[in-house]
Order: sequence, then structure tokens, then C-alpha cells
Amino acid sequence: KAGVTQTPRYLIKTRGQQVTLSCSPISGHRSVSWYQQTPGQGLQFLFEYFSETQRNKGNFPGRFSGRQFSNSRSEMNVSTLELGDSALYLCASSLGYGGQGDTEAFFGQGTRLTVV
Amino acid sequence: AQSVTQPDIHITVSEGASLELRCNYSYGATPYLFWYVQSPGQGLQLLLKYFSGDTLVQGIKGFEAEFKRSQSSFNLRKPSVHWSDAAEYFCAGIYGSSNTGKLIFGQGTTLQVKP
Repeated sequence: KAGVTQTPRYLIKTRGQQVTLSCSPISGHRSVSWYQQTPGQGLQFLFEYFSETQRNKGNFPGRFSGRQFSNSRSEMNVSTLELGDSALYLCASSLGYGGQGDTEAFFGQGTRLTVV
Repeated sequence: AQSVTQPDIHITVSEGASLELRCNYSYGATPYLFWYVQSPGQGLQLLLKYFSGDTLVQGIKGFEAEFKRSQSSFNLRKPSVHWSDAAEYFCAGIYGSSNTGKLIFGQGTTLQVKP
């Protein structure tokens, strides 16, 4: 079956602009989580959506937001981009229903965002 | 605070040698534990997972990990390393319950394999 698909793979944006990243989860998965990966901070959790509702949120400013659609696809948006937002943004999907095995997360290849 | 720690930032081993990558989780309720591998510019691939029960878990690509509650550790091992194992390895945990997808990651260990 198809894996987690993230689009676009690469983006270059200017400071002050906004950007929207997309994630299509594995079919049947209801939970989508987003992570930011940078050399200095490593992998940091942004937020998780389950059945169109934000279930968990990390420690990021309000410029970072997300949403999930009824087909479980998710988008994250970053407004007023800063140089420090340059990172690899990873999306992960899981079943999410609450059983132990439902926590197994499958990752997309990521979107590499460069802010100039 | 809930945390996962990988003490070794960088490890170099010779091809064919054994490997052990260390991972410690913060004391308290045992999280669900995972090991992921990441090749340059790629996403993360799950190697193995631990929820409960048997403390020695087998994963893909010949990897295994042992959960030790007394040491709050979940170390990853491989008896004989191949050059293709060179990558970055992440230990991660989910705390609290299974009703969350929030993974807490360690800082990662970069594995270099010498020919």
C-alpha cells in the first residue's frame, strides 16, 4: 500500500512569507503528526491531529498551525517565516485509535523548507 | 520531564563488527519505545518497537533491542554491521497512553561504518 506522501519535497521562501505543507497519510490511518527537524534542535514535535481535531500540541509559536481534513489528509501552515524556520518538516501517520499497535508511526520523506 | 537520551552523538565501527547504540528514557512510567533509522535527506524508518512483555525485541535488518527497566534503557544492537547500516539512528518514546501520536525523540546517533 502507498506510504505517507508529503508535498512539496523542497521549498524556498523569503522571510515574512507564509507556507503550506501537505501530508497524505497511509490509507486507514486517522492520526497525523508533524515534526520539525533541525541540526541544532533535533526532532521536535509540532502537533498531532486525529479525526480532524488537534489532539496534542508541541511548544511552538502560534505562527505554526495545522489542520486535518475528513479524508485524514493534513496541512501545516507557517506564517511570517523566519530564517530559523528552515528545517526538514516530517509528517507521520498512525492508526491512532488507542491500541498499543495503533501508535506505530510511519513517516513521509519530508519537506525541506529553506527560508532566505 | 519526559525525555529520551542518546548519550553517543557519533559512533564509528568497522564493517563486520558488532554494534550497540545506547538509549535511556526518563524515569517514571515506562513509555512505548521505538528505534528509527534515517538515511541522509530521507524520512524515518521504524526498526523495532517495544510496548510490553518480552524485553528482547527483534526488528528489521537484523537489529534487536533489549529493554531494561532497572537501567531505564532500550539499547539497540546488531551482531555484524554492514556498510549500508551507516545512517542516523533515533530512539523515541511515547509517554502517557496509547491515545497519542506524540513521539519524544533522542538527539540521534550517527553511525559511520569503516571498510
